[in-house]
Amino acid sequence: KQEVTQIPAALSVPEGENLVLNCSFTDSAIYNLQWFRQDPGKGLTSLLLIQSSQREQTSGRLNASLDKSSGRSTLYIAASQPGDSATYLCAVRLRGGSEKLVFGKGTKLTVNP
Amino acid sequence: NAGVMQNPRHLVRRRGQEARLRCSPMKGHSHVYWYRQLPEEGLKFMVYLQKENIIDESGMPKERFSAEFPKEGPSILRIQQVVRGDSAAYFCASSLSGDLYNEQFFGPGTRLTVL
Repeated sequence: KQEVTQIPAALSVPEGENLVLNCSFTDSAIYNLQWFRQDPGKGLTSLLLIQSSQREQTSGRLNASLDKSSGRSTLYIAASQPGDSATYLCAVRLRGGSEKLVFGKGTKLTVNP
Repeated sequence: NAGVMQNPRHLVRRRGQEARLRCSPMKGHSHVYWYRQLPEEGLKFMVYLQKENIIDESGMPKERFSAEFPKEGPSILRIQQVVRGDSAAYFCASSLSGDLYNEQFFGPGTRLTVL
């Protein structure tokens, strides 16, 4: 059974810092991995999607890497801003015909001005 | 192109009542997924539907919960005889097809509170 773990559960940093969020998964047979952002009381915004054949994806100040063999992904946020404060969710899409995403519990990020 | 729409955004029910949650997928999308997020938990898959068909309901409780996606109209997640443990945020996602290349786009969620 696929399990997704995100560490740390919460993170508080001063504005301007570079930071790394971690995601690990137990079964490397994934189709892709996706990072989402969730603001309080809101839905999910997709940030980056990495196919299993890819090693990383970049969008602006965000960079996500994927090491499928070790079951790890990291989300790197450069020059953090207070507007980055949110919960970041990692999800994997399973191989084998299942359409569902398996989510971690998320990392709650607070960027202090 | 409007995104995935869900209504109501907030729903309050008393124990024993029924809750109906609606999801309108993005235009052109014929695949719908429902996820539930319990307090302090990650999102958990409930059910995957195509038009008029349930494809995978492995994450949905066997009792009191049902889902449909009719040929016309939104997808409906129905919870009968709600209990306090049903209080959660329910998210709907849609995709263009079931092809694994197709990304799932999420709606804003319905927050159900059972009194």
